[in-house]
Amino acid sequence: TQLLEQSPQFLSIQEGENLTVYCNSSSVFSSLQWYRQEPGEGPVLLVTVVTGGEVKKLKRLTFQFGDARKDSSLHITAAQPGDTGLYLCAGARTSYDKVIFGPGTSLSVIP
Amino acid sequence: GAVVSQHPSRVICKSGTSVKIECRSLDFQATTMFWYRQFPKQSLMLMATSNEGSKATYEQGVEKDKFLINHASLTLSTLTVTSAHPEDSSFYICSAGGVQPQHFGDGTRLSIL
Repeated sequence: TQLLEQSPQFLSIQEGENLTVYCNSSSVFSSLQWYRQEPGEGPVLLVTVVTGGEVKKLKRLTFQFGDARKDSSLHITAAQPGDTGLYLCAGARTSYDKVIFGPGTSLSVIP
Repeated sequence: GAVVSQHPSRVICKSGTSVKIECRSLDFQATTMFWYRQFPKQSLMLMATSNEGSKATYEQGVEKDKFLINHASLTLSTLTVTSAHPEDSSFYICSAGGVQPQHFGDGTRLSIL
């Protein structure tokens, strides 16, 4: 059983469309992180959220941490082909706990 | 620039060969490094936590005699896949950055023929 679930698993959209990726758990996390990974490379950290209800923006990407710190979302506005990649959420239940990864959302943005 | 360097980036070798992968933190000291395994289009699965100066902590189901980890200095951890077989073919990634992984290496694509 995955401690962190992500949906959708796969997403293929046209350039310019908006999308939201979800990361859910039944457990409370002290922090959640979002990464993007391109084929053959390691994941690159996009953001860390630590406060319930927190919203962070990174250009066209908006990240939200749920009030109960059990879920998070990533919203991309006006997606571009360069956004294509595997999006991973990851979290630790306490500051000293190991980080676990969700199963990932594979995004393809078609020009 | 990269803060975690992983080497080699790709290895192709015959079954039965032992393969060593290095993970270096370039501009910081890492008492803890993490080793992950990733299959195509899947997420990262934590294999073990590498602790400088002490034994690694392995996740359930990971054979410690198969995947030898050495963390002899604050900037270097190595993963040795011993007597590799085709089922060991995968993408291996390390990370470092304190208790929670923040920086990842670029991974090592291991292909066992």
